[in-house]
Amino acid sequence: GNSVTQMEGPVTLSEEAFLTINCTYTATGYPSLFWYVQYPGEGLQLLLKATKADDKGSNKGFEATYRKETTSFHLEKGSVQVSDSAVYFCALSRDAGGTSYGKLTFGQGTILTVHP
Amino acid sequence: DAGVIQSPRHEVTEMGQEVTLRCKPISGHDYLFWYRQTMMRGLELLIYFNNNVPIDDSGMPEDRFSAKMPNASFSTLKIQPSEPRDSAVYFCASSLTWGNTEAFFGQGTRLTVV
Repeated sequence: GNSVTQMEGPVTLSEEAFLTINCTYTATGYPSLFWYVQYPGEGLQLLLKATKADDKGSNKGFEATYRKETTSFHLEKGSVQVSDSAVYFCALSRDAGGTSYGKLTFGQGTILTVHP
Repeated sequence: DAGVIQSPRHEVTEMGQEVTLRCKPISGHDYLFWYRQTMMRGLELLIYFNNNVPIDDSGMPEDRFSAKMPNASFSTLKIQPSEPRDSAVYFCASSLTWGNTEAFFGQGTRLTVV
């Protein structure tokens, strides 16, 4: 079956540090890949996505590249801010139908804390 | 649109009681998903609907759990009877069939069964 393995946290960084959160996946065929972010007390928000190999998703300074050869989708940011403190989830989707990306398999989540 | 709306935000109930969680998806979305988040198991898909019809309920943990979608703007997840191990955050999400759009999540219902 499908699975997502995510770098365990928590991760603690100082402001302006470089961030990498590793994510690898197992799936048949060609899944779409996502990073979701969950701020305290909130639901999940899509951060970025990539729907085919070698695609790069980017948003708010975060980037991730869909690497089919290594089955990876690592999240990176060059300079983190205190406001980036949240839980980050890597996920994959095998379509529920059409191009709906709601049928998601999630990693365990990585808690990121950024200190001033 | 106000996004996916879930109610209540918090629910505390005694073991054995019936619990009903509610979700209003984004207008026009034809897929609706129920997820559960726990420390032990992370985020798990419980069930999803397409055009109000349940498509896959293989993630529903036990017969004590049931979900309905009587119309396009409302869904419920019911636990009867509830048990302490049902304590979790339950999320509802909705999406479109077409258009390469992602799922939009509600803020969740934090359920505590004592």
